[in-house]
Amino acid sequence: QVNLLQSGAALVKPGASVKLSCKASGYTFTDYYIHWVKQSHGKSLEWIGYINPNSGYTNYNEKFKSKATLTVDKSTNTAYMELSRLTSEDSATYYCTRDGYNRLDYWGQGVMVTVSS
Amino acid sequence: DIQMTQSPSFLSASVGDRVTINCKASQNINRYLNWYQQKLGEAPKLLIYNANSLQTGIPSRFSGSGSGTDFTLTISSLQPEDVATYFCLQHNSWPWTFGGGTKLELK
Repeated sequence: QVNLLQSGAALVKPGASVKLSCKASGYTFTDYYIHWVKQSHGKSLEWIGYINPNSGYTNYNEKFKSKATLTVDKSTNTAYMELSRLTSEDSATYYCTRDGYNRLDYWGQGVMVTVSS
Repeated sequence: DIQMTQSPSFLSASVGDRVTINCKASQNINRYLNWYQQKLGEAPKLLIYNANSLQTGIPSRFSGSGSGTDFTLTISSLQPEDVATYFCLQHNSWPWTFGGGTKLELK
């Protein structure tokens, strides 16, 4: 069965960076894009961008271009998102999700990032 | 960016009620709209894709309709387990954008 397992919650200091992971199993990792979505507390969802695990091609929401960097490690079927120069505005839950051909059909459990000194 | 406006923001209904949630796009998105259900503390779950296609495993009481700029998610007979927040997502053009959500409660 398809599963996306995300890394645990992170508490990081303002100005620092954090790298979140998303380990895929149950399907051929390189056949489906991985998207990342932000959900600020109690609010709606924002699309951050996606990566093609086969080619490494990325497409970002302009709003997150200088904030997020998406990468993959095909040897471990893992997608990563690094968030840089963190501020309180980056405190949120982040999801990785599989693109089943223009439908985000499987989601990770989400990881809460808290930015605090 | 395409703006997705959901209505209502909050909805209270009784078990067995027919419930409709609307999503309006700021420009034509054809039928490139998906609906998601998010229960408290959980990740979103895909219900409907491409406006009216039911995702595998989703109960048939959920249905979607619409095209262009106006879309509707319908629950034909509300069940207690349907208490959740519902979001629409347009995937017609980049960046993909979500609606603000509709919180559904039991009356």
